[in-house]
Amino acid sequence: SQELEQSPQSLIVQEGKNLTINCTSSKTLYGLYWYKQKYGEGLIFLMMLQKGGEEKSHEKITAKLDEKKQQSSLHITASQPSHAGIYLCGADLTDDKIIFGKGTRLHILP
Amino acid sequence: GAVVSQHPSWVICKSGTSVKIECRSLDFQATTMFWYRQFPKQSLMLMATSNEGSKATYEQGVEKDKFLINHASLTLSTLTVTSAHPEDSSFYICSARSSGSSSYNEQFFGPGTRLTVL
Repeated sequence: SQELEQSPQSLIVQEGKNLTINCTSSKTLYGLYWYKQKYGEGLIFLMMLQKGGEEKSHEKITAKLDEKKQQSSLHITASQPSHAGIYLCGADLTDDKIIFGKGTRLHILP
Repeated sequence: GAVVSQHPSWVICKSGTSVKIECRSLDFQATTMFWYRQFPKQSLMLMATSNEGSKATYEQGVEKDKFLINHASLTLSTLTVTSAHPEDSSFYICSARSSGSSSYNEQFFGPGTRLTVL
């Protein structure tokens, strides 16, 4: 969706390195969701952010939502091969349905 | 946790035939279900919103007569691809929103159905 821009589209990272994926909306978000997907499989829910300035962590993954609720970042610390996959941000823009960004393909080099 | 299943997980059909995909919420009631489509190396595109007991709301560009959606109960929504053609080959994913969810607009996703039309 053009309403939700995700960057980068693809990312190759050496194992053990940190990385950040960004998701930017042209509108204020009611909620922002981060999912992980392996191609051809379903979505794995990572985190949901609703409040401006909110930050959540799960294991080595941290997601933040900025104060204006228009941008979110997903940060992975000390990346591992298990982190490889497609990361999707989903945005609730209309209090009704979730639309998705184009996704970021993450590859981890051993 | 809330679980959403899809059946079948994959299907191969001949061009011109119709295919039905089921989406079930296993341990919760879902007043609203969503159908997404994902082409290779692309993101999920919302096709339609399905509300229990009423007509589905389709996104712009999605043919409602081709993609028939029925949400007959609080735990089941079906997507029927009518007169399927090779360009309909895709990965179809449903999601369900719990009517009793304490989390704002929390949606639970199914594992997806891979449709291949020959």
